Amino acid sequence: NAGVTQTPKFRVLKTGQSMTLLCAQDMNHEYMYWYRQDPGMGLRLIHYSVGEGTTAKGEVPDGYNVSRLKKQNFLLGLESAAPSQTSVYFCASKTGHDSGNTIYFGEGSWLTVV
Amino acid sequence: EDQVTQSPEALRLQEGESSSLNCSYTVSGLRGLFWYRQDPGKGPEFLFTLYSAGEEKEKERLKATLTKKESFLHITAPKPEDSATYLCAVRGGSQGNLIFGKGTKLSVKP
Repeated sequence: NAGVTQTPKFRVLKTGQSMTLLCAQDMNHEYMYWYRQDPGMGLRLIHYSVGEGTTAKGEVPDGYNVSRLKKQNFLLGLESAAPSQTSVYFCASKTGHDSGNTIYFGEGSWLTVV
Repeated sequence: EDQVTQSPEALRLQEGESSSLNCSYTVSGLRGLFWYRQDPGKGPEFLFTLYSAGEEKEKERLKATLTKKESFLHITAPKPEDSATYLCAVRGGSQGNLIFGKGTKLSVKP
């Protein structure tokens, strides 16, 4: 089972460059999430989607955009990268809206902005 | 404000030395408390979900418990392979998104 797959795994960007992180899940999950993880900060929610064609802001959305054109894919875009966006990014997904549904995470994407 | 606090930040144990990790939370309308394990360079791996005070769940050397204000992850006779960062998260509030603590880094020495 592939589960949640993120690409690329590592990327170095120059300040001002743009890029897109791709998340794909093969579990037919409705909900998808993008988190960032920084030392001493824990996991923080950037954006999320409750279904195909929908997106919503999380705790730290500034500087990021997302799209959910297909149910299985959730894209995270950085239009003009800044050093403060150096982080590890995790995609996650879950099924349905019940409180008991577990969120499953991908393996992470390491982004360095210089 | 919904909040999750984990303690200690780091814990070093000898193999076989049992201990507990703490997760204190404040949330409006708890809809689940989650424990995850995260190995270096990997994504969080789901361990347990607890829903109501008094509930307990076990998996190998791990047992999670829940009260109205906190959860404990008890580790019995740990082994070096239990070394990892353990994350606690709660689901609640109007949106029902997960709120994570900063984690406890556990090191088990042989």
